[in-house]
Amino acid sequence: SQQGEEDPQALSIQEGENATMNCSYKTSINNLQWYRQNSGRGLVHLILIRSNEREKHSGRLRVTLDTSKKSSSLLITASRAADTASYFCATDGNQGGKLIFGQGTELSVKP
Amino acid sequence: KAGVTQTPRYLIKTRGQQVTLSCSPISGHRSVSWYQQTPGQGLQFLFEYFSETQRNKGNFPGRFSGRQFSNSRSEMNVSTLELGDSALYLCASSLGSGAYNSPLHFGNGTRLTVT
Repeated sequence: SQQGEEDPQALSIQEGENATMNCSYKTSINNLQWYRQNSGRGLVHLILIRSNEREKHSGRLRVTLDTSKKSSSLLITASRAADTASYFCATDGNQGGKLIFGQGTELSVKP
Repeated sequence: KAGVTQTPRYLIKTRGQQVTLSCSPISGHRSVSWYQQTPGQGLQFLFEYFSETQRNKGNFPGRFSGRQFSNSRSEMNVSTLELGDSALYLCASSLGSGAYNSPLHFGNGTRLTVT
C-alpha cells in the first residue's frame, strides 16, 4: 500500500503562477522527501524535511510539514515551463528503512 | 562525479525468459535500492542492498532477486518473465542505508517490455 498520497493527481497552470501540491501519509515518519520526475526519466531529489521541522525552503520551492495532520505541501513559486513534470512525496513511515512513494502529481506549466 | 548508471536502457523480452539489469551507483555510495514503476501501481519498492547485504525487501514474488558486489554495483534478476513485469525499473543509490535522512539518487531506469 502507498504510504504517501498526493493531491491533486494533475495540475495545469500558466507560467508565472504558483503551484501547490499536497501529500498525506498514514504512519509516523522520520522524514518526508519530495522528488521530481521528467517523463521517462529517473527521479530527482528536491528537498528533505525532517519530522521535527515545520518548513523548509530551497530556491523557488517551499515545503511544509504538519505531523499532527500527517500531511505536507510543496509550493513552487513563479513556475516555469521547465517545471512541467511529475512530483512525488516519499516517506520512510517506519517501514524499516524503505522509502515509499506516493502516486504523484502531474504538473503541467503552460508558457 | 558521475551519476547512477543503469544498463541497458531498453530491453524487450519474451514471456518465460529471464532478465538481468545492472546498476552502478555514485562513487562512495554503499546503498542501492530498486523500484518498479508502472502506470497502474506507481513506484513499488523491490529491495535495498547495503554493503552486499539485502537490508529491505518489498512485496514481490521470489522471481525477483538481486545482489550487490563488493564495489557496490548491483544487479537485479527477474526469472520466468510475465507480461505484468513490463515496467520502468529504477535503481537509486544513497550514502546511508535506508531512507533515514539520506536522499536517493536515481538512474534513468531500464525500460523492460515483455511480449
